[in-house]
Amino acid sequence: GDSVTQMEGPVTLSEEAFLTINCTYTATGYPSLFWYVQYPGEGLQLLLKATKADDKGSNKGFEATYRKETTSFHLEKGSVQVSDSAVYFCALSEGFSVGNQFYFGTGTSLTVIP
Amino acid sequence: GAVVSQHPSRVICKSGTSVKIECRSLDFQATTMFWYRQFPKQSLMLMATSNEGSKATYEQGVEKDKFLINHASLTLSTLTVTSAHPEDSSFYICSATSSSGANVLTFGAGSRLTVL
Repeated sequence: GDSVTQMEGPVTLSEEAFLTINCTYTATGYPSLFWYVQYPGEGLQLLLKATKADDKGSNKGFEATYRKETTSFHLEKGSVQVSDSAVYFCALSEGFSVGNQFYFGTGTSLTVIP
Repeated sequence: GAVVSQHPSRVICKSGTSVKIECRSLDFQATTMFWYRQFPKQSLMLMATSNEGSKATYEQGVEKDKFLINHASLTLSTLTVTSAHPEDSSFYICSATSSSGANVLTFGAGSRLTVL
């Protein structure tokens, strides 16, 4: 079945450091891929998405490229800020029909220190 | 963009009582809503999928008589934790996809339930 595996945290970085959070997936078809972010005490917010191979999703300085050959969707940011401290979830969903189930990774906690 | 409102954000109740959590889509019609439970160390567990006007589909291991889900309209789904016990204390999050088929999940802010 479908699944998502992402690197375990917690991750602690200094401000302005480079961030990579690895995410790989297993899917039977051609999924859409997502990164969601959860700030302390809040629900999840969509950070970025990609719907087909080689697409690059980007938002707020974060990027992730849909790599079909390596079944990966790694999240990167060139220079993190304290405000990026949050939990990041990689997710996939098959197809485009309404109501398709989403599969989430276990989340990676990021703390950025000044 | 799409907004999902979840209420209450925090609730404390005594053991044995029931608690209702509401999830509303504010500016779109949500044909499908999902209810998640978030455990310590972040992991999200899908509890059930709720489609407007029909019975919810529960994931294996989730007690449907304990976690009652109602999706009576295209903008409202409710989760009722019946006869709550301390082990039901958790962070519950709802999410919705719109009828437009954009295939993006929009999440509510979550509800922290504490059962004393």
